[in-house]
Amino acid sequence: SYVLTQPPSVSVAPGQTARITCGGQNFGTKSVHWYQHKAGQAPVLVVFDDSDRPSGIPERFSGSHSGDTATLTIINIEAGDEADYYCQVWEGRTDYQVFGGGTKLTVL
Amino acid sequence: QVYIVQSGAEVKKPGASVKVSCKASNYPFTAYGFTWVRQAPGQRLEWMGWINAYNGKTAYAQKFQDRVTMTTDPATRTAYMELRSLRSDDTAIYYCGRGYRAVAVDFWGQGTRVTVSS
Repeated sequence: SYVLTQPPSVSVAPGQTARITCGGQNFGTKSVHWYQHKAGQAPVLVVFDDSDRPSGIPERFSGSHSGDTATLTIINIEAGDEADYYCQVWEGRTDYQVFGGGTKLTVL
Repeated sequence: QVYIVQSGAEVKKPGASVKVSCKASNYPFTAYGFTWVRQAPGQRLEWMGWINAYNGKTAYAQKFQDRVTMTTDPATRTAYMELRSLRSDDTAIYYCGRGYRAVAVDFWGQGTRVTVSS
């Protein structure tokens, strides 16, 4: 089965920049979406199609995708950014949506 | 504004079934699909499957293939996820969202807590 790999945790001080990576096999051809999830709340789409941002999502959130790695970058980190972040792609061969294992972002 | 409102919390006994609903509003219902995920206590988000609201086509995660059925009712603008033969490890918060296949899930329901306990 297709696997997306994320670091389990990232820790960043307020005001600094967080970078969360996501990698997979033959990743370059897939569009990557990123979700923010706080426990007990609905997930929130923060980046779609590698680098597009939904309306209402602050410009502090951005995405990039190069080769086998996609990156979610959050600048000027705030306490409210503390959450789990998941990358997700569609795997055409199986028609499955695949989620990464999630990265816990801790604001120090 | 798009709204997706899920049904309320459920408590079920092992072996029972649960049917969670998601009522959508303020967009063309059959132009999108729905994705279902769940989060067990202390665990990561787990993808369960998706359904095309126009033609009812589905794709289920292999783990749930034998126990899950996803449906939609365009007349009431509601999506459903039924999980059968419940076990204690099905205790989780279940989420539905608008979007499926390669389309990002851009709006989510508030989640439905399902507790499986004898």
